Amino acid sequence: GEDVEQSLFLSVREGDSSVINCTYTDSSSTYLYWYKQEPGAGLQLLTYIFSNMDMKQDQRLTVLLNKKDKHLSLRIADTQTGDSAIYFCRPVGQKVTFGTGTKLQVIP
Amino acid sequence: GAGVSQSPSNKVTEKGKDVELRCDPISGHTALYWYRQSLGQGLEFLIYFQGNSAPDKSGLPSDRFSAERTGGSVSTLTIQRTQQEDSAVYLCASSSKRGSYEQYFGPGTRLTVT
Repeated sequence: GEDVEQSLFLSVREGDSSVINCTYTDSSSTYLYWYKQEPGAGLQLLTYIFSNMDMKQDQRLTVLLNKKDKHLSLRIADTQTGDSAIYFCRPVGQKVTFGTGTKLQVIP
Repeated sequence: GAGVSQSPSNKVTEKGKDVELRCDPISGHTALYWYRQSLGQGLEFLIYFQGNSAPDKSGLPSDRFSAERTGGSVSTLTIQRTQQEDSAVYLCASSSKRGSYEQYFGPGTRLTVT
């Protein structure tokens, strides 16, 4: 399979929580990043987690890492219409690899 | 501005023509990356420059693609004899160090080959 996999699409209602998942294969990943891409724009670094951490919280964002299963997730609490974007995960290891991106649609 | 800039923002070209895409990285960043983002696809790594080292060209899809980085700063991605499947957004990113550090992305160049 692909080195980094994400669901292509997620739709949530405004105010609900969003959970975007990412699975990867490179066990040597030391940092794991999440990027946000708004329509017509480049990628913007959103948050990251070190591989020796299980969880990192930053305001409405919570990153969970299950290193054993090579699973990363990004939870957005109280999702807003401004959160509508494509979210890419990026494990940093031996390769320069990005996920396919998850398009988050927030329904007012 | 202090960010990564790319030009042009949009490029429409006819099949078979050559195109050049430009990237101005953040001043002082030694690493520079080129990616391609096709419609409905993820980011595809193309090429990576780190300082004066030989570039990592492992992601270039064919010999029609080439890139150079002059003086360790500005980079140009050249696509020769463009094909319709080359239509995509080409993103450039720079970082202060190889791999492990965050990359700062430019806004991209949208290339359309007709």
